[in-house]
Amino acid sequence: ETGVTQTPRHLVMGMTNKKSLKCEQHLGHNAMYWYKQSAKKPLELMFVYNFKEQTENNSVPSRFSPECPNSSHLFLHLHTLQPEDSALYLCASSQDQGRNSNQPQHFGDGTRLSIL
Amino acid sequence: QQQVKQSPQSLIVQKGGISIINCAYENTAFDYFPWYQQFPGKGPALLIAIRPDVSEKKEGRFTISFNKSAKQFSLHIMDSQPGDSATYFCAASIGGAQKLVFGQGTRLTINP
Repeated sequence: ETGVTQTPRHLVMGMTNKKSLKCEQHLGHNAMYWYKQSAKKPLELMFVYNFKEQTENNSVPSRFSPECPNSSHLFLHLHTLQPEDSALYLCASSQDQGRNSNQPQHFGDGTRLSIL
Repeated sequence: QQQVKQSPQSLIVQKGGISIINCAYENTAFDYFPWYQQFPGKGPALLIAIRPDVSEKKEGRFTISFNKSAKQFSLHIMDSQPGDSATYFCAASIGGAQKLVFGQGTRLTINP
Protein backbone atom coordinates (compact mmCIF):
# COMPACT_ATOMS: atom_id res chain seq x y z
CA GLU A 1 0.00 0.00 0.00
CA THR A 2 1.39 3.34 -1.06
CA GLY A 3 2.06 6.07 1.50
CA VAL A 4 1.02 8.61 -1.15
CA THR A 5 -2.68 8.69 -1.97
CA GLN A 6 -4.12 10.42 -5.01
CA THR A 7 -7.78 11.16 -5.71
CA PRO A 8 -9.64 10.78 -7.90
CA ARG A 9 -8.07 7.85 -9.74
CA HIS A 10 -9.88 8.78 -12.95
CA LEU A 11 -11.27 12.10 -14.13
CA VAL A 12 -13.04 13.05 -17.34
CA MET A 13 -13.68 16.72 -17.91
CA GLY A 14 -14.58 19.15 -20.63
CA MET A 15 -12.27 21.91 -21.72
CA THR A 16 -14.30 24.57 -19.89
CA ASN A 17 -14.57 22.72 -16.58
CA LYS A 18 -12.70 23.46 -13.37
CA LYS A 19 -11.54 20.50 -11.32
CA SER A 20 -8.88 19.69 -8.76
CA LEU A 21 -6.58 16.75 -8.18
CA LYS A 22 -5.66 15.89 -4.62
CA CYS A 23 -2.58 14.25 -3.17
CA GLU A 24 -1.93 13.27 0.44
CA GLN A 25 1.23 11.75 1.85
CA HIS A 26 1.39 9.83 5.13
CA LEU A 27 5.18 9.50 5.22
CA GLY A 28 6.13 12.63 7.16
CA HIS A 29 7.98 14.03 4.15
CA ASN A 30 8.73 17.71 3.59
CA ALA A 31 8.81 17.85 -0.21
CA MET A 32 6.04 17.14 -2.72
CA TYR A 33 5.95 16.98 -6.50
CA TRP A 34 3.59 16.91 -9.47
CA TYR A 35 4.55 14.98 -12.60
CA LYS A 36 2.83 14.48 -15.97
CA GLN A 37 3.12 11.06 -17.62
CA SER A 38 2.04 10.92 -21.26
CA ALA A 39 2.21 7.91 -23.55
CA LYS A 40 5.60 7.45 -25.19
CA LYS A 41 7.09 10.48 -23.41
CA PRO A 42 9.32 10.71 -20.36
CA LEU A 43 7.83 11.64 -17.01
CA GLU A 44 7.80 15.42 -16.88
CA LEU A 45 8.41 17.21 -13.59
CA MET A 46 5.84 20.00 -13.25
CA PHE A 47 6.15 21.49 -9.76
CA VAL A 48 8.21 21.01 -6.60
CA TYR A 49 7.24 22.16 -3.14
CA ASN A 50 9.59 22.22 -0.15
CA PHE A 51 8.08 22.96 3.26
CA LYS A 52 4.92 24.22 1.51
CA GLU A 53 6.89 26.69 -0.65
CA GLN A 54 7.04 26.25 -4.41
CA THR A 55 10.67 25.85 -5.43
CA GLU A 56 10.24 24.67 -9.01
CA ASN A 57 7.84 25.46 -11.83
CA ASN A 58 9.00 23.68 -14.94
CA SER A 59 7.44 26.15 -17.41
CA VAL A 60 3.98 24.75 -16.77
CA PRO A 61 1.03 26.58 -18.44
CA SER A 62 -1.04 28.71 -16.07
CA ARG A 63 -4.11 26.53 -16.65
CA PHE A 64 -2.43 24.24 -14.09
CA SER A 65 -2.36 25.85 -10.65
CA PRO A 66 -0.78 24.00 -7.73
CA GLU A 67 -1.54 24.54 -4.07
CA CYS A 68 0.28 23.16 -1.04
CA PRO A 69 -1.55 24.11 2.19
CA ASN A 70 0.75 21.96 4.35
CA SER A 71 3.54 19.42 3.97
CA SER A 72 1.08 16.53 3.74
CA HIS A 73 -1.30 17.82 1.09
CA LEU A 74 -0.86 18.93 -2.49
CA PHE A 75 -3.49 19.99 -4.98
CA LEU A 76 -3.46 20.63 -8.70
CA HIS A 77 -6.24 22.95 -9.81
CA LEU A 78 -7.25 22.54 -13.44
CA HIS A 79 -8.96 25.18 -15.58
CA THR A 80 -9.63 25.44 -19.31
CA LEU A 81 -7.53 22.43 -20.19
CA GLN A 82 -6.69 21.29 -23.72
CA PRO A 83 -6.98 17.77 -25.21
CA GLU A 84 -3.18 17.44 -25.12
CA ASP A 85 -3.37 17.72 -21.33
CA SER A 86 -4.90 14.24 -21.19
CA ALA A 87 -2.36 12.16 -19.27
CA LEU A 88 -1.59 10.41 -16.01
CA TYR A 89 -0.77 12.95 -13.30
CA LEU A 90 1.50 11.59 -10.60
CA CYS A 91 2.18 13.01 -7.20
CA ALA A 92 5.33 12.17 -5.25
CA SER A 93 6.90 13.06 -1.92
CA SER A 94 10.35 12.83 -0.39
CA GLN A 95 12.28 13.81 2.69
CA ASP A 96 14.59 16.53 1.47
CA GLN A 97 17.71 16.90 3.59
CA GLY A 98 19.44 19.66 1.66
CA ARG A 99 21.75 19.73 -1.31
CA ASN A 100 23.02 16.33 -2.43
CA SER A 101 20.36 14.60 -0.41
CA ASN A 102 19.40 11.48 -2.33
CA GLN A 103 16.27 10.55 -0.45
CA PRO A 104 14.02 8.70 -2.90
CA GLN A 105 10.76 10.05 -4.20
CA HIS A 106 7.70 7.99 -3.31
CA PHE A 107 4.97 8.10 -5.95
CA GLY A 108 1.22 7.79 -5.74
CA ASP A 109 -0.70 5.72 -8.28
CA GLY A 110 -1.79 8.76 -10.24
CA THR A 111 -4.94 10.34 -11.60
CA ARG A 112 -5.83 9.39 -15.17
CA LEU A 113 -7.15 12.61 -16.71
CA SER A 114 -9.11 12.70 -19.96
CA ILE A 115 -10.05 16.00 -21.58
CA LEU A 116 -13.03 15.84 -23.94
CA GLN B 1 21.68 18.67 -22.54
CA GLN B 2 18.97 17.85 -20.01
CA GLN B 3 17.85 14.73 -21.85
CA VAL B 4 18.33 11.16 -20.78
CA LYS B 5 18.02 8.72 -23.69
CA GLN B 6 16.83 5.23 -22.86
CA SER B 7 16.83 2.09 -24.97
CA PRO B 8 15.27 -0.19 -25.98
CA GLN B 9 11.64 0.98 -25.87
CA SER B 10 10.50 -2.60 -25.34
CA LEU B 11 12.27 -5.81 -24.46
CA ILE B 12 11.20 -9.44 -24.31
CA VAL B 13 13.34 -11.87 -22.32
CA GLN B 14 12.87 -15.51 -21.46
CA LYS B 15 12.52 -16.52 -17.84
CA GLY B 16 15.94 -17.00 -16.30
CA GLY B 17 17.65 -14.75 -18.83
CA ILE B 18 19.43 -11.43 -18.32
CA SER B 19 17.54 -8.22 -19.07
CA ILE B 20 19.66 -5.21 -20.01
CA ILE B 21 18.37 -1.65 -20.36
CA ASN B 22 20.65 1.21 -21.34
CA CYS B 23 20.63 4.96 -20.74
CA ALA B 24 22.84 7.76 -22.01
CA TYR B 25 23.13 11.38 -20.94
CA GLU B 26 24.92 14.53 -22.06
CA ASN B 27 25.06 16.74 -18.99
CA THR B 28 28.21 15.86 -17.06
CA ALA B 29 26.85 17.73 -14.04
CA PHE B 30 24.39 14.90 -13.36
CA ASP B 31 25.47 13.20 -10.15
CA TYR B 32 22.62 10.90 -9.17
CA PHE B 33 21.23 8.11 -11.35
CA PRO B 34 18.20 6.15 -10.11
CA TRP B 35 16.15 3.45 -11.78
CA TYR B 36 12.42 3.24 -11.22
CA GLN B 37 10.06 0.31 -11.79
CA GLN B 38 6.41 0.85 -12.69
CA PHE B 39 3.69 -1.79 -12.80
CA PRO B 40 0.42 -1.15 -14.70
CA GLY B 41 -1.94 1.03 -12.71
CA LYS B 42 0.73 1.92 -10.18
CA GLY B 43 3.14 4.77 -9.69
CA PRO B 44 6.89 4.33 -10.23
CA ALA B 45 8.91 2.92 -7.33
CA LEU B 46 12.63 3.33 -6.76
CA LEU B 47 14.49 0.15 -7.61
CA ILE B 48 18.17 1.03 -7.27
CA ALA B 49 20.35 4.14 -7.60
CA ILE B 50 24.00 5.00 -8.12
CA ARG B 51 26.32 7.99 -7.84
CA PRO B 52 29.15 8.50 -10.37
CA ASP B 53 31.94 7.76 -7.89
CA VAL B 54 31.29 4.02 -8.28
CA SER B 55 31.16 1.93 -11.44
CA GLU B 56 28.75 -0.72 -10.27
CA LYS B 57 26.10 -1.26 -7.64
CA LYS B 58 24.31 -4.52 -6.99
CA GLU B 59 21.15 -5.20 -5.00
CA GLY B 60 19.94 -8.78 -5.27
CA ARG B 61 19.29 -9.61 -8.92
CA PHE B 62 19.51 -5.95 -9.97
CA THR B 63 22.80 -4.30 -10.94
CA ILE B 64 23.58 -0.80 -12.21
CA SER B 65 26.70 -0.45 -14.33
CA PHE B 66 28.01 3.09 -14.74
CA ASN B 67 30.49 4.30 -17.36
CA LYS B 68 31.36 7.91 -16.58
CA SER B 69 33.63 8.46 -19.58
CA ALA B 70 30.98 7.20 -22.00
CA LYS B 71 28.20 8.98 -20.09
CA GLN B 72 26.17 5.80 -20.03
CA PHE B 73 24.60 3.64 -17.38
CA SER B 74 22.63 0.43 -17.56
CA LEU B 75 20.36 -1.80 -15.53
CA HIS B 76 20.97 -5.54 -15.54
CA ILE B 77 18.35 -7.92 -14.19
CA MET B 78 19.80 -11.37 -13.61
CA ASP B 79 17.65 -14.52 -13.61
CA SER B 80 14.70 -12.50 -14.93
CA GLN B 81 11.29 -13.61 -13.62
CA PRO B 82 7.74 -13.05 -14.92
CA GLY B 83 7.16 -10.82 -11.88
CA ASP B 84 9.82 -8.46 -13.24
CA SER B 85 7.54 -7.61 -16.18
CA ALA B 86 7.04 -3.87 -15.84
CA THR B 87 8.12 -0.55 -17.31
CA TYR B 88 11.56 0.62 -16.21
CA PHE B 89 12.70 4.24 -16.18
CA CYS B 90 16.18 5.57 -15.76
CA ALA B 91 16.64 9.08 -14.45
CA ALA B 92 19.33 11.61 -13.60
CA SER B 93 19.60 14.70 -11.45
CA ILE B 94 22.05 17.30 -10.19
CA GLY B 95 22.78 18.02 -6.54
CA GLY B 96 20.18 15.71 -5.06
CA ALA B 97 17.17 13.65 -6.02
CA GLN B 98 14.57 16.36 -6.43
CA LYS B 99 14.76 17.53 -10.04
CA LEU B 100 14.80 14.18 -11.79
CA VAL B 101 15.07 14.01 -15.59
CA PHE B 102 13.59 10.73 -16.77
CA GLY B 103 14.26 8.52 -19.77
CA GLN B 104 11.42 7.46 -22.04
CA GLY B 105 10.94 4.09 -20.35
CA THR B 106 11.40 0.45 -21.36
CA ARG B 107 8.53 -2.00 -21.29
CA LEU B 108 10.02 -5.31 -20.17
CA THR B 109 8.18 -8.59 -20.67
CA ILE B 110 9.53 -11.81 -19.18
CA ASN B 111 8.12 -14.87 -20.89
CA PRO B 112 7.59 -17.92 -18.65
